[in-house]
Amino acid sequence: NAGVTQTPKFQVLKTGQSMTLQCAQDMNHEYMSWYRQDPGMGLRLIHYSVGAGITDQGEVPNGYNVSRSTTEDFPLRLLSAAPSQTSVYFCASSARDQETQYFGPGTRLLVL
Amino acid sequence: AQSVTQPDIHITVSEGASLELRCNYSYGATPYLFWYVQSPGQGLQLLLKYFSGDTLVQGIKGFEAEFKRSQSSFNLRKPSVHWSDAAEYFCAGILIQGAQKLVFGQGTRLTINP
Repeated sequence: NAGVTQTPKFQVLKTGQSMTLQCAQDMNHEYMSWYRQDPGMGLRLIHYSVGAGITDQGEVPNGYNVSRSTTEDFPLRLLSAAPSQTSVYFCASSARDQETQYFGPGTRLLVL
Repeated sequence: AQSVTQPDIHITVSEGASLELRCNYSYGATPYLFWYVQSPGQGLQLLLKYFSGDTLVQGIKGFEAEFKRSQSSFNLRKPSVHWSDAAEYFCAGILIQGAQKLVFGQGTRLTINP
């Protein structure tokens, strides 16, 4: 099993550009989530999904969209990037009724 | 507000010394609690978790943590640290029963002196 994979590892964007951060898991986990990590703030939940076709907002959803068309994939879209979205983004997954979440390696995003 | 707090932003200990990292939570019921470790440039690795039962839980890499309801704490300990333990440590909790939303503390960066 590859576990949770994320692409790209690094990305530089200009303000106003759009992009999609990819996340995939091969563990057949129902639950997937996106977090952003900023210095001194730990990780904060952006969006999450409890299954294909179901998504919901977390603590800091503004500026981000998600969709969940398959169990395996949970992409995060930035429609118009802003410097405040410079961060490290982590995707995580867990099985239904299993509280332990498994994290991907992260995507480091710089918005100029 | 429901929260997880790590009071120490940065801790430095000597190799071979004991370690305790503090974590406090604010929640009316017993939360599910976790400790994760993040090495530089890496993702998060689960060290240990507490759901219920024995309040002293053992984890990987020689770490343990003790849940103390009276103090709303879940401190991480290790009797003798190694240079490879230098990393950032995150305490996290699921503070809403039935949900799987992790709430993270701010993190504690651990430096090991040789």
